[in-house]
Amino acid sequence: GAGVSQTPSNKVTEKGKYVELRCDPISGHTALYWYRQSLGQGPEFLIYFQGTGAADDSGLPNDRFFAVRPEGSVSTLKIQRTERGDSAVYLCASSLFSGTTTGELFFGEGSRLTVL
Amino acid sequence: EDKVVQSPLSLVVHEGDTVTLNCSYEVTNFRSLLWYKQEKKAPTFLFMLTSSGIEKKSGRLSSILDKKELFSILNITATQTGDSAVYLCAVVGGSNYKLTFGKGTLLTVNP
Repeated sequence: GAGVSQTPSNKVTEKGKYVELRCDPISGHTALYWYRQSLGQGPEFLIYFQGTGAADDSGLPNDRFFAVRPEGSVSTLKIQRTERGDSAVYLCASSLFSGTTTGELFFGEGSRLTVL
Repeated sequence: EDKVVQSPLSLVVHEGDTVTLNCSYEVTNFRSLLWYKQEKKAPTFLFMLTSSGIEKKSGRLSSILDKKELFSILNITATQTGDSAVYLCAVVGGSNYKLTFGKGTLLTVNP
């Protein structure tokens, strides 16, 4: 596609529910990243995929968070038993290679998650 | 742990003013420093800096890096209302794919 696409753009859920957030990267980009941005903060790294595998998931806050990228393109971030503290904007980004060769990560518009 | 501190956290100016945004950092095995502009949701790339003293310039925006003093500045001259945004600074360290961001500077340009 023309840019990184994320769905849904907004998600309101109740505490304890399960949510999935989807990211469709730019076609041909092998590297995909998830970041989380809370109000008044900069984005925080969650996980990095190179192809289908999660090369680094050290930023996932706990085992309620999981992400997949089964075919090396679309990725889904899954959050189980949501808590109010999970409320944030979840940003996805992609790049042609590892990203920092050129410095340019292409970010999507984000999915705003609100846990009531 | 890599750390980025931006200042000021917010800034209000009038159109035509020149602004300087600051970014200081602590990082293991520094690779690069990046500036992004975030208007609504998606950050958009501005500059990547890897070498000290070499100014990067794009129109009215410019940036420079000082690797000895561990900081960077982003200058915007002749500001316009369209420059209103959050400006994010990020560094890349030992893991060459992971960006560590600062909290950002909220710039408001009034007509």
